[in-house]
Amino acid sequence: ILNVEQSPQSLHVQEGDSTNFTCSFPSSNFYALHWYRWETAKSPEALFVMTLNGDEKKKGRISATLNTKEGYSYLYIKGSQPEDSATYLCALTVDAGNMLTFGGGTRLMVKP
Amino acid sequence: DAGITQSPRHKVTETGTPVTLRCHQTENHRYMYWYRQDPGHGLRLIHYSYGVKDTDKGEVSDGYSVSRSKTEDFLLTLESATSSQTSVYFCAIKARQGQGAFFGQGTRLTVV
Repeated sequence: ILNVEQSPQSLHVQEGDSTNFTCSFPSSNFYALHWYRWETAKSPEALFVMTLNGDEKKKGRISATLNTKEGYSYLYIKGSQPEDSATYLCALTVDAGNMLTFGGGTRLMVKP
Repeated sequence: DAGITQSPRHKVTETGTPVTLRCHQTENHRYMYWYRQDPGHGLRLIHYSYGVKDTDKGEVSDGYSVSRSKTEDFLLTLESATSSQTSVYFCAIKARQGQGAFFGQGTRLTVV
């Protein structure tokens, strides 16, 4: 069983604040790291897939970085808005395999 | 939106009865997954498939079986439902390695 950990578990920020959270994973046999956004009562939606050490991806105000050597990825949200409130999940695949192993998620709540 | 549907969306069943959940996709994606979502555990992989008749166990496969006789359908069966299998079940599909997965809307199963 792969140990994919996310921190913090939950986060409350004020509208306009920038924030970031972490996904940690075993660095051996790394293949890809995924980030998903999961709104309450909806299905998870893919944000990014990163495969190379040093990868940086950006989508609007959300960006992510990847360090495969030390086994972590950061997700950044610039100028948080109430509609950013969701649970953010990371998931790992190893050995060019097919399994997607998820972390426990970071629940973000943005107060207006 | 990816063409992925889960049925039923809600089900209440009695302990000891068999239950089958269906995941149907119209995208011709190779990979299909069944996850369960429980408080404090995030998404945990039950079983996955990497092609017709090709399936493998995930992290929490005990008490579950799957079948994939056609590309478009991935069935999850609880042979004899137990209260510990009360959960929300999500199906996901993925076209190829390194791509993000698309999730179904979820099936809420209650075992009484």
